[in-house]
Formats: sequence, structure tokens, C-alpha cells
Amino acid sequence: AQTVTQSQPEMSVQEAETVTLSCTYDTSESDYYLFWYKQPPSRQMILVIRQEAYKQQNATENRFSVNFQKAAKSFSLKISDSQLGDAAMYFCAYRRFLMEYGNKLVFGAGTILRVKS
Amino acid sequence: EAGVTQFPSHSVIEKGQTVTLRCDPISGHDNLYWYRRVMGKEIKFLLHFVKESKQDESGMPNNRFLAERTGGTYSTLKVQPAELEDSGVYFCASSQVREDNRAEEQYFGPGTRLTVT
Repeated sequence: AQTVTQSQPEMSVQEAETVTLSCTYDTSESDYYLFWYKQPPSRQMILVIRQEAYKQQNATENRFSVNFQKAAKSFSLKISDSQLGDAAMYFCAYRRFLMEYGNKLVFGAGTILRVKS
Repeated sequence: EAGVTQFPSHSVIEKGQTVTLRCDPISGHDNLYWYRRVMGKEIKFLLHFVKESKQDESGMPNNRFLAERTGGTYSTLKVQPAELEDSGVYFCASSQVREDNRAEEQYFGPGTRLTVT
């Protein structure tokens, strides 16, 4: 079974600075997807960024980028130029590659990110 | 376009009582998922519907939980009788079915916070 671990329960960053959230996972599969989701306080969870394991290039979405280290099974999220609106719970998630293997997301426990002004 | 909605947003019930949670997916989304987050822990998959059929219910904790999706539209999750350990946030998500069998984005609802006292 696949597992996802987020070892940082809480992180803080100063506005305009950069922060990196850690995520490691365990799987015996070679093809899969990895995701970072963001849940702002009292709001619904939204997808921040996704990475296909077969792609070597790290995914980037504006100020959000990932450092995907397949051999190390590591998938960290870097937020550049942090803004107050980035304050949220961040979840790392894994999904198997093909729908026939199941569609479910396997989540980590989450990291609370606080942004200081 | 309306997002995934869930009702109620918060429910407080006594041990032994029954509670029914409702999820309305995004219109046209055949995939519907239920997840649960117990306080401080990871979000865990409960089950997955494709239209009105249960595709995967491997995450359902026990037979006190009953999920239905009549007509392939909204879904309900009933807990009967509720126990203290059922407390947590119940998330619903929906997604489209892709013909290429690849991962599709799951859109999450705001969750229902269930407190069993």
C-alpha cells in the first residue's frame, strides 16, 4: 500500500520570502501522480500543483514549484514570494497512474503554513 | 459553474444517534468520492462512485456507514449508530471521467464537520 508522509506539522514564513514544504511517499510503482492541495481556513480544498512521475521536469505554477526526486521518493513544494493568502493547510497526495487501479487519493497529514506580515 | 456542495457544514450529535451527510457534485461529474479526516491525521479515502455504482468502497470503516448515490447525482453518507470515533471532517469530491484512463482533477467540497458527543 502507498503511504504519504508530511513531517512538518507547522511552518511559518515571512511575507515575500520563500518556504519549502516537505513530503515523502512510499510506493513500489513506477508510474503515478503526486499532488499538492491547499485548504484555506474555512474554505474548500483546491489543487495547487500536480506532477506525473514519468516526467522528469519539475512542475511549476506561477509562484509554486515542486522539487520531485523520484529515486528518493520526495516531493517538496516551494512557495516563492509568499503572500498572506498563502496561509492554509497544505496536503501532499498520491494517486496511482491508471483508473483501473483505483482513483483514490492517498494523503499526508498536512502542514499548516502561517504567513507573517 | 457551481462547485461541490456539502450539507450540513457542521453537525453535532450524541453517540448512538443517526446522521446523514449530503454531497452535491459538480454537474456532469460521474465520479464522486467520500473522504474523512479525523482530527490531526491524514485525510482517508472512504469510497468512490461512478455514476450510481460503487466502484471502490475499500475505505469504509464498518457497516455503520452507508453511502448511496441514487440516480447518479447527489450522494448521501449515513452513519448509524454514530460512535465517538466517527468525529471528524467528511469531504466529498467529484471529477469527470476521462477516456484516456488518466488522472483527472478531483474538486473538493468544503466538508462537513461531524462531532459525536
